[in-house]
Amino acid sequence: EAGVAQSPRYKIIEKRQSVAFWCNPISGHATLYWYQQILGQGPKLLIQFQNNGVVDDSQLPKDRFSAERLKGVDSTLKIQPAKLEDSAVYLCASSLTPDGINEKLFFGSGTQLSVL
Amino acid sequence: LAKTTQPISMDSYEGQEVNITCSHNNIATNDYITWYQQFPSQGPRFIIQGYKTKVTNEVASLFIPADRKSSTLSLPRVSLSDTAVYYCLPPSGGYQKVTFGIGTKLQVIP
Repeated sequence: EAGVAQSPRYKIIEKRQSVAFWCNPISGHATLYWYQQILGQGPKLLIQFQNNGVVDDSQLPKDRFSAERLKGVDSTLKIQPAKLEDSAVYLCASSLTPDGINEKLFFGSGTQLSVL
Repeated sequence: LAKTTQPISMDSYEGQEVNITCSHNNIATNDYITWYQQFPSQGPRFIIQGYKTKVTNEVASLFIPADRKSSTLSLPRVSLSDTAVYYCLPPSGGYQKVTFGIGTKLQVIP
């Protein structure tokens, strides 16, 4: 079974630049999550999609972060403009059912972002 | 939201059994308890999930007392490759808002 695919694996940018991350979830998974993981901390949920609708984006800094899920499959997360504190690993995960209750999450390997 | 509390770090020698306890006093009636494992430079990986009593799979066992206010992840005979961060998660809310705490960093010593 193919896992959650993310790209790029690493990205280095300067502050105030923009960056985009891409995620392809496991085929058939209805729920998709984006997490931010700062070094030494647990993953922090940024946004959760059910199919192509947003069910939670309460912790997404909407002045600079945006995300979309195309046709309920692939997703992109964008940061514009980036700040130094955005340096982190961005993880994408997916789960099978639409409501995601008590579901098992499958994670990608993440994109490590360094903002200089 | 059901908050969890678990030790920040633990050390263990190879071959020993490791027990990591997580407290979740406000767990909701419908919530299961789920544990994830995370190696450096990788995303978290599901290990085990349970609702009550005991669950065992090829990787670990999960013990949950009747009041469900805590759970214990048991790793039998750990090896160096079990060095990782372990997260205890009960979901919360009407849908699964999967929130991770800081986790327990397990260091296995030769």
